[in-house]
Amino acid sequence: EVQLVESGGGLVQPGGSLRLSCVASGSTFSDYWMTWIRQAPGKGLEGVANIDQGGTEKDYVDSVKGRFTISRDNAQNSLFLQMNSLRVEDTAVYYCARRPGSLFDFWGQGTLVTVSS
Amino acid sequence: SYVLTQPPSVSVAPGQTARITCGGNNIGSKSVHWYQQKPGQAPVLVVYDDNDRPSGIPERFSGSNSGNTATLTISRVEAGDEADYYCQVWESSTDHVVFGGGTKLTVL
Repeated sequence: EVQLVESGGGLVQPGGSLRLSCVASGSTFSDYWMTWIRQAPGKGLEGVANIDQGGTEKDYVDSVKGRFTISRDNAQNSLFLQMNSLRVEDTAVYYCARRPGSLFDFWGQGTLVTVSS
Repeated sequence: SYVLTQPPSVSVAPGQTARITCGGNNIGSKSVHWYQQKPGQAPVLVVYDDNDRPSGIPERFSGSNSGNTATLTISRVEAGDEADYYCQVWESSTDHVVFGGGTKLTVL
């Protein structure tokens, strides 16, 4: 069974940094695009960043470009999101999700990022 | 950018049929996926490619997609179906995911 487990969330002040991690098991991690998706409290879902199987092709939602960096380590079955210059509006639960094609078939349980002074 | 519009809420009695719509410009030309999210849990894929079900999803969940509207249909609704439901497409012009705003299904 595919499992995705996120970690690294927490409370950070505006302007601060956090690094999220997602460890995958139960399938060949390197076969799939991966995506970070976030959900602000009481709000809907928003795609944040995508990365291809080899880690070379990446793209970001406009609101995080230049501040967030997605990466992966296929040898460690791990996905990362480096978040710098955090803003209050980045407060959300961050999910990693496996992306075969245009859909998301497996999601992690999420990790909460709170940006507040 | 591409916009998907869902009704904020839908209510249905147990045993009845719930229909949740997802509107978008010519959405019938895209593959639509649907997710169920219960409080405090991660979303779960319940319908993909308009009308396919992942393994383990009951046959009561089905979908359709034509013109400017996609629809998730839940037959014989149960109390356990109460959740938020999100539609999703991939917007090829921007190469980004697009989610609808979500619909809260209440089982009366």
